Amino acid sequence: QKEVEQNSGPLSVPEGAIASLNCTYSDRVSQSFFWYRQYSGKSPELIMSIYSNGDKEDGRFTAQLNKASQYVSLLIRDSQPSDSATYLCAVNLRGGYSTLTFGKGTMLLVSP
Amino acid sequence: DAGVTQSPTHLIKTRGQHVTLRCSPISGHKSVSWYQQVLGQGPQFIFQYYEKEERGRGNFPDRFSARQFPNYSSELNVNALLLGDSALYLCASSGGRWNSNQPQHFGDGTRLSIL
Repeated sequence: QKEVEQNSGPLSVPEGAIASLNCTYSDRVSQSFFWYRQYSGKSPELIMSIYSNGDKEDGRFTAQLNKASQYVSLLIRDSQPSDSATYLCAVNLRGGYSTLTFGKGTMLLVSP
Repeated sequence: DAGVTQSPTHLIKTRGQHVTLRCSPISGHKSVSWYQQVLGQGPQFIFQYYEKEERGRGNFPDRFSARQFPNYSSELNVNALLLGDSALYLCASSGGRWNSNQPQHFGDGTRLSIL
């Protein structure tokens, strides 16, 4: 089993819709979870961090964490064409270390 | 405040050569990590340095080495370059100690092409 898994996509949504991106991870002791956005040819940009079970909202973004199910998700409300990018899930596996393990990323395409 | 800065932006080398990539962390950040990202994959961890000491090493051959300087800047060195080393090399810095859960912030990366 891969340590951090994401659907590669692409996930296509119309402008104004909710985009839902999912990620599962393998290590139960993981404590820190991050979502990065990466535009083509650019470097990853941090958009959300979450450390506790439940929801965390920041503007149009909501991160959801369920440690029992080893599942973390990102919801993007009112999706815009400028949200079209690859979204990387990153997990601080094996708690106590700050190195990140990334999924392969999910490509999101928002059509006008 | 300046973010993480990396140099050079692009680099073209041939097989067997050596390369040095450089990184300056965000001011106040003492932890620097290096990642390799090949096309279509997520970044893969190479090294972490904190206070000039190596704190983590990923599954990369000994051709890869790094160091951190007293001003917390860092270098990544790769010897005997192979075609498979072609990738985007990312540097990230974070606040707190080496084992903290603070987010990592990435520089723009160095795109290395091996001919």
